[in-house]
Amino acid sequence: QQQVKQSPQSLIVQKGGISIINCAYENTAFDYFPWYQQFPGKGPALLIAIRPDVSEKKEGRFTISFNKSAKQFSLHIMDSQPGDSATYFCAARGGSGAGSYQLTFGKGTKLSVIP
Amino acid sequence: GAGVSQSPSNKVTEKGKDVELRCDPISGHTALYWYRQSLGQGLEFLIYFQGNSAPDKSGLPSDRFSAERTGGSVSTLTIQRTQQEDSAVYLCASRGGENTGELFFGEGSRLTVL
Repeated sequence: QQQVKQSPQSLIVQKGGISIINCAYENTAFDYFPWYQQFPGKGPALLIAIRPDVSEKKEGRFTISFNKSAKQFSLHIMDSQPGDSATYFCAARGGSGAGSYQLTFGKGTKLSVIP
Repeated sequence: GAGVSQSPSNKVTEKGKDVELRCDPISGHTALYWYRQSLGQGLEFLIYFQGNSAPDKSGLPSDRFSAERTGGSVSTLTIQRTQQEDSAVYLCASRGGENTGELFFGEGSRLTVL
């Protein structure tokens, strides 16, 4: 059972455009929602994270929008640059027992920003 | 070292052989995770170590997989009698305190089973 559904699988955006990646979850016990960025041959690295007590978090060109009632969250990359080309993973964590420390990842979105 | 270190970076083996993958976490990090990354499948949780507590092995896909963490630091993931479906990138991550959510990943060990 996939607990975090991520879309789209791949995304091509023109330089300067807005990239939007969406994730949906079922488990209402999740209380921490990070996004990880992975370049080829590298491990994922934390990009930005949000907790459900806020609806939006912005760090530079990256914004997470969070809709608790819809159980959805999304990553927006403003003014997308070729250097943003990478695979992006949403994730969720929370609950008791194993859920309190396990990150459940989406399947990833490969973003290509073309000049 | 400054980051999570994994070795080997690449391993090619024949079906049926055993392999060992090593992870050296960030110094002082008490939590250590192993994930498996297959093409198009995201990151699959395998096992979690926290201090001296019993590890959470709930993600290990079969009894051919095992892991240990010696002295609360270095961890080894062992795959016995490898199968072609074991081919993947095996990622190790470590985390600092309980109140921080950030996982720091290594660059992974790419395993190819012929």
